[in-house]
Amino acid sequence: DGGITQSPKYLFRKEGQNVTLSCEQNLNHDAMYWYRQDPGQGLRLIYYSQIVNDFQKGDIAEGYSVSREKKESFPLTVTSAQKNPTAFYLCATRQGGPGAYNEQFFGPGTRLTVL
Amino acid sequence: AQKVTQAQTEISVVEKEDVTLDCVYETRDTTYYLFWYKQPPSGELVFLIRRNSFDEQNEISGRYSWNFQKSTSSFNFTITASQVVDSAVYFCALSGRSGYSTLTFGKGTMLLVSP
Repeated sequence: DGGITQSPKYLFRKEGQNVTLSCEQNLNHDAMYWYRQDPGQGLRLIYYSQIVNDFQKGDIAEGYSVSREKKESFPLTVTSAQKNPTAFYLCATRQGGPGAYNEQFFGPGTRLTVL
Repeated sequence: AQKVTQAQTEISVVEKEDVTLDCVYETRDTTYYLFWYKQPPSGELVFLIRRNSFDEQNEISGRYSWNFQKSTSSFNFTITASQVVDSAVYFCALSGRSGYSTLTFGKGTMLLVSP
């Protein structure tokens, strides 16, 4: 089946630990995105990548890091520098490279809780 | 800078009532795109519609309709004869050149449809 896979669905981590959230897609989409959602808030952009081996900071990149070594994969690492990492994290993809304005498609999300 | 405002935080209706969700946007771009997404309790965002700034025709899809008015910078969403399954959070979003084709989301409107 074509789609976007995020794993794990629920993730718990202790303060001070880094954790990596997985996002995989088989839609052959060029662009991939990471968003953070907090209760009562809209989605805020963390990082995005419009082509392989390139990525850009979004509005709230501090304390996060990403890589885009393959078209299919865009993992997000939440580092210990992120002051308030407990949130719902959503990965999205979009067909077309820079300058395209197609709709984004979203994965099922990962709920991260810091204990 | 781009901005999307969804002034209605939460709306409660009884099944079969019509309901309109408001969306007001700000952008410096002359070419831009507007989107609506639905987020059911499962958490995954579902794409509903994309509209470009040159197309002001209203759109109807089943019980859903959208009213785009550039004069008031609004892109409102109406659900006719609401159903319990329409209960979700609805997000309006904006994409344009000044945002490098990323999406700027509103904070969402939670719609609760009771039987």
